[in-house]
Amino acid sequence: QVQLQESGPGLVKPSETLSLTCTVSGDSINGYYWSWIRQPPGKGLDWIGYISYSGSTNYNPSLKSRATISVGTSKNQFSLELTSVTAADTAVYYCASLGRAVAGTYYYYYIDVWGKGTTVTVSS
Amino acid sequence: DIVMTQSPLSLPVTPGEPASISCRSSQSLLHTNGYIYLDWYLQKPGKSPQVLIYLGSNRASGVPDRFSGSGSGTDFTLKISRVEAEDVGVYYCMQTLQSRTFGQGTKVEIK
Repeated sequence: QVQLQESGPGLVKPSETLSLTCTVSGDSINGYYWSWIRQPPGKGLDWIGYISYSGSTNYNPSLKSRATISVGTSKNQFSLELTSVTAADTAVYYCASLGRAVAGTYYYYYIDVWGKGTTVTVSS
Repeated sequence: DIVMTQSPLSLPVTPGEPASISCRSSQSLLHTNGYIYLDWYLQKPGKSPQVLIYLGSNRASGVPDRFSGSGSGTDFTLKISRVEAEDVGVYYCMQTLQSRTFGQGTKVEIK
C-alpha cells in the first residue's frame, strides 16, 4: 500500500512562504490524486486542496489563492506552498492520497491514505 | 459555502451499546448523478484520520461492518451498531459537493 511522508521546515516567519513536500512510496505518483489537509492545534480538520495526475488543481476558497500544490514526477513527490503566512496558519499539515470510486458515470475521490503529519509553527 | 454541523460534539458511549452521530449540511449534498457527496472520517487519539464511509453509505476497505452511514438531502447519520473500545476518537463528516468542508468533529469516549 502507498505510504506518505511529509517534510519541511517546522518554523516559518510571518509573511513568508511555507513550503512542504510529500514523498510517496509503495506506488507511482502518476495516475492518482493527491491532497493536503491541515489541523490547527486543538482544532478540527481544514481541507487545503488537491492535485490530479494531469495537473489540475482545486483549492479551499478560504485560502484566497495563497496555496499552490504541484507534482514533481521525477522524485515521486508532491508539494504545498502557502504564501503570506500568519499565526493562523500554524497547524499539523497532512498529505494524503485520494481513493477513487465509481458514482454513476462519474469518478468520486475521497481521502484514502494519510501521512503522519508534520507540525508547522508560524512565529517570528 | 456549504457549512457542516455535527451533533453532539461530545458523545460518551458504553462498549457493546449502539451510538450515532448526526451531520447536517447547509445545502443538499445530492449530486445530479444521484449520489450523496459525503464522507466520514475517524481520528483516533494521536493518529492521522482514517476514512470510514464515502458517498454517504459506502464502507471503505477494511472498515468493520458495525459502522454504517445513511441519510439524504441535508441530514446524515453515522451509526456504530456495537461500540468497541478501539472506536474512541474524533469523528468528522466532510462534504465533497462544492470544494470540501469538514464538520467540527464529534469526540467519542468511553463512559
